[in-house]
Amino acid sequence: DAKTTQPTSMDCAEGRAANLPCNHSTISGNEYVYWYRQIHSQGPQYIIHGLKNNETNEMASLIITEDRKSSTLILPHATLRDTAVYYCIVRVAGLAQKLVFGQGTRLTINP
Amino acid sequence: DAGVTQSPTHLIKTRGQQVTLRCSPKSGHDTVSWYQQALGQGPQFIFQYYEEEERQRGNFPDRFSGHQFPNYSSELNVNALLLGDSALYLCASSRDRVIGNTIYFGEGSWLTVV
Repeated sequence: DAKTTQPTSMDCAEGRAANLPCNHSTISGNEYVYWYRQIHSQGPQYIIHGLKNNETNEMASLIITEDRKSSTLILPHATLRDTAVYYCIVRVAGLAQKLVFGQGTRLTINP
Repeated sequence: DAGVTQSPTHLIKTRGQQVTLRCSPKSGHDTVSWYQQALGQGPQFIFQYYEEEERQRGNFPDRFSGHQFPNYSSELNVNALLLGDSALYLCASSRDRVIGNTIYFGEGSWLTVV
């Protein structure tokens, strides 16, 4: 079973920041939080991952709470092309483990 | 640098037939995993190959088998196809035992069983 819970769906206006929450209350100390997204049933696209510090790359920012029990993925200026299903996954990095996907959040960016 | 590549992209098979799907991992990656994604569902882990051996397996029957070649590419074989095997089959690759490693996915192979 997936170790994360996410809202089923969210809407965001184009140009605004999209904030996607994820709860992972049973996360272990050596588990990372990974985010992927999937557009039109293409292959999942890696977005970002982190352990306990906030992370930022060209696609998004990841904010992890101090107790690590939840996190938020931030798309700073959402575009229509960001419409996708977003998956939050916890896993132990460094071991090529399987990924356990939940249902994800279906994010719709509205013009 | 090519990412994970899969072939074919789409195929149609008849019940009872056998199918082989192929995957080339991202350059520098040595571990390949296969996932099945039914319509409207998240991907489900089938199995993982490392050093040409199956290392982990999900809850899939023996009709699903695989192989990894010395160049790290991989095949997924499904025998005695059922209508329920219709799905998107995803290949993912990574580098084993690298701290903070990332798993990358291919675009998938759409299999329709009629």
